[in-house]
Amino acid sequence: KQEVTQIPAALSVPEGENLVLNCSFTDSAIYNLQWFRQDPGKGLTSLLLIQSSQREQTSGRLNASLDKSSGRSTLYIAASQPGDSATYLCAVRPWGGNNRKLIWGLGTSLAVNP
Amino acid sequence: NAGVTQTPKFQVLKTGQSMTLQCAQDMNHEYMSWYRQDPGMGLRLIHYSVGAGITDQGEVPNGYNVSRSTTEDFPLRLLSAAPSQTSVYFCASSSGGETQYFGPGTRLLVL
Repeated sequence: KQEVTQIPAALSVPEGENLVLNCSFTDSAIYNLQWFRQDPGKGLTSLLLIQSSQREQTSGRLNASLDKSSGRSTLYIAASQPGDSATYLCAVRPWGGNNRKLIWGLGTSLAVNP
Repeated sequence: NAGVTQTPKFQVLKTGQSMTLQCAQDMNHEYMSWYRQDPGMGLRLIHYSVGAGITDQGEVPNGYNVSRSTTEDFPLRLLSAAPSQTSVYFCASSSGGETQYFGPGTRLLVL
């Protein structure tokens, strides 16, 4: 059974620091992996989607990598800003069966301090 | 494009009452889903639909019904509300199973 884990659950960093958020999954048979951002009291916004055949995706100061063999994805945030404070979630779409069902991590709550 | 919209934003119900949470999308997405989000439990799939007239159960379907008569709308019905259904409910849509777009959520409190 696919399980997704995000460590740490919470992270606090000073403004300007480069940081890495981690997402681990137990079954390497995935179709894609997505990173989302959730602001308090709001819905989720998709940040990056990595297909299983890709190694990384970039958008602005964000870079997400995927290593299926080790069951890991990382979200790299460069030059962090207070506006990056939010909860970051990753979700895996498995291969096979009804692969529309995403498997979610619990998220990492990020605080970037001015 | 309004994206995915949800109404109401907040709702308080008494145990046993019924209600419908509305979800609509204007992106012509075939895939729509309902999640609930609870502290420490993450997002859990309630029901989903792969197109008009086609729905299926997710992880936690008990106590909820859905229907999909049009591509745009995917309402979630609570048949007889229970305190265990206190949660934040999110509707999402996607095309081709790719990037999911989420609505702003409905906060439900069942007393």
